[in-house]
Amino acid sequence: DTGVSQNPRHKITKRGQNVTFRCDPISEHNRLYWYRQTLGQGPEFLTYFQNEAQLEKSRLLSDRFSAERPKGSFSTLEIQRTEQGDSAMYLCASSPNHFRQGRVGTEAFFGQGTRLTVV
Amino acid sequence: ELKVEQNPLFLSMQEGKNYTIYCNYSTTSDRLYWYRQDPGKSLESLFVLLSNGAVKQEGRLMASLDTKARLSTLHITAAVHDLSATYFCAVDPGGSQGNLIFGKGTKLSVKP
Repeated sequence: DTGVSQNPRHKITKRGQNVTFRCDPISEHNRLYWYRQTLGQGPEFLTYFQNEAQLEKSRLLSDRFSAERPKGSFSTLEIQRTEQGDSAMYLCASSPNHFRQGRVGTEAFFGQGTRLTVV
Repeated sequence: ELKVEQNPLFLSMQEGKNYTIYCNYSTTSDRLYWYRQDPGKSLESLFVLLSNGAVKQEGRLMASLDTKARLSTLHITAAVHDLSATYFCAVDPGGSQGNLIFGKGTKLSVKP
């Protein structure tokens, strides 16, 4: 399978606990994104990496959230002291670089997501 | 703040009928994406629209982009049950950044 892989697929945790999710992007993709999706809504951007560098973080990403991509390959998203409002689907996506000069568009390919339930 | 609005949010249609989903966005962008999501599944890329007047077709779905009107449409021709899903449009406001702003989605239900 050469798609974006996320683990675990489901996670139930008690409020106040820490959780960590993993994302393995498509191997030749430089860019990796994290999104959050709640029921009935579209995905909301959280953060993205160009190789190992975290280039942008959304205001949605509070201090309790941290993301890493240490070797420019897989990424982890950690949520500390989880709250019930953190319950959502966490989606990872990857894409190659955009090449604007050539007008070659590159879309993001999404993984299956990790569904987090905080009880 | 960039806003992306889709309408309708819910669409129930009969097989064989045609319909159009609309996606309006509030700021300049020359990149627009359409994704499909089945219940409990991830997002599947359908179309990438890169310039004003772009039109792409795949099977019973056709997407177009009017950057001057800040409008994209997804037209469904002769709907079949397999098209039942939620459809999202997404705009790339930063050009080369890739952090997409999604609409709320249109939940399509095609009934026999």
